[in-house]
Amino acid sequence: RKEVEQDPGPFNVPEGATVAFNCTYSNSASQSFFWYRQDCRKEPKLLMSVYSSGNEDGRFTAQLNRASQYISLLIRDSKLSDSATYLCVVISAAGNKLTFGGGTRVLVKP
Amino acid sequence: DGGITQSPKYLFRKEGQNVTLSCEQNLNHDAMYWYRQDPGQGLRLIYYSQIVNDFQKGDIAEGYSVSREKKESFPLTVTSAQKNPTAFYLCASNTPSGVTEAFFGQGTRLTVV
Repeated sequence: RKEVEQDPGPFNVPEGATVAFNCTYSNSASQSFFWYRQDCRKEPKLLMSVYSSGNEDGRFTAQLNRASQYISLLIRDSKLSDSATYLCVVISAAGNKLTFGGGTRVLVKP
Repeated sequence: DGGITQSPKYLFRKEGQNVTLSCEQNLNHDAMYWYRQDPGQGLRLIYYSQIVNDFQKGDIAEGYSVSREKKESFPLTVTSAQKNPTAFYLCASNTPSGVTEAFFGQGTRLTVV
């Protein structure tokens, strides 16, 4: 089993719709979690951190479920510009290793 | 402006040749990482370093080597032993505790010709 797993997609989303996807992790002692966005042929950029209490940034909501060992990202009112690959990142308990999921591709269509 | 810089942006290598990819950061981060990304794939960890003069192998270290002589610099050498080096290489850094986000360079696209 991979340390961090994501559904590769693509998720084909009508403009204005809501899309949600998860990222599962295998190490229950993992301490920090993030969502990154990556556009084609570019470096990943931080989208948001994921806190135990959940957090929201505009149309984006991230949640952490430690009991089931997954994090989620929800995008409301999808825009064409939201089309990208979304990568989850898990930091080990020792804080010494960043592990990426394989990414979930989202395609927002008119 | 603080940031992390990779160079060159594009690199072409002949088969059997070693090449070194540069990664420099002025964010005062102790931890630095090298990842490889193949088309349509996620990021795979090659090497990482938590402190100067120390580094650890990641998941796909074979055919690569690194050094960490300075806090600011973490060069990656792709050796001739790496049989399929064509890929997008990304360098990242973060703070010592590891609980903050990682910052990425713009990447180096390596092609074997």
